[in-house]
Amino acid sequence: KAGVTQTPRYLIKTRGQQVTLSCSPISGHRSVSWYQQTPGQGLQFLFEYFSETQRNKGNFPGRFSGRQFSNSRSEMNVSTLELGDSALYLCASSLVLSGNADTQYFGPGTRLTVL
Amino acid sequence: GQQVMQIPQYQHVQEGEDFTTYCNSSTTLSNIQWYKQRPGGHPVFLIQLVKSGEVKKQKRLTFQFGEAKKNSSLHITATQTTDVGTYFCAGHFYYNQGGKLIFGQGTELSVKP
Repeated sequence: KAGVTQTPRYLIKTRGQQVTLSCSPISGHRSVSWYQQTPGQGLQFLFEYFSETQRNKGNFPGRFSGRQFSNSRSEMNVSTLELGDSALYLCASSLVLSGNADTQYFGPGTRLTVL
Repeated sequence: GQQVMQIPQYQHVQEGEDFTTYCNSSTTLSNIQWYKQRPGGHPVFLIQLVKSGEVKKQKRLTFQFGEAKKNSSLHITATQTTDVGTYFCAGHFYYNQGGKLIFGQGTELSVKP
């Protein structure tokens, strides 16, 4: 079974631009969660989607948004990029909502650099 | 809100020494998961603990869940260079008729050969 895939793997943008990241979960998984990882900050939860609906949201500004499609693939969008948005963005899929304590399967991440 | 605190943030050990990382929550967890992230990689699930006082072993790794289900630890005996990476705990809280999975800050382990 193929793992979680994320595209692109690397991205360089400038301040003020917007970016869209994509995540394809493991086949059959319906939940996709997004995390931001920066040195010293660990894994910061962004949001979780299940059956095309946002079910949980972390403490990030409205510039961070996402959506999920009927095939469970998910996209994350960051508008008006700031230098501090430079990070590794990880998505994780699970069979059911993460709140049901299901195992999270992480993708390789998208490394975003904002100049 | 719910938080999972993990210590230490960094640990440098000589190969062969033991290593322990601790996770603490102010509120009771329903269960806890542990993940390992190798340098340049992504977190990979190691184990889940559910019962109060539960202890599980994976070769040189020993995972414990506290009696009050508020803390957990991961102990590695006789570290090897292959143990290098960041270890995360993730606590599961019942919340709003569902649940929430919250990750600790991680402990970065470096092993000197």
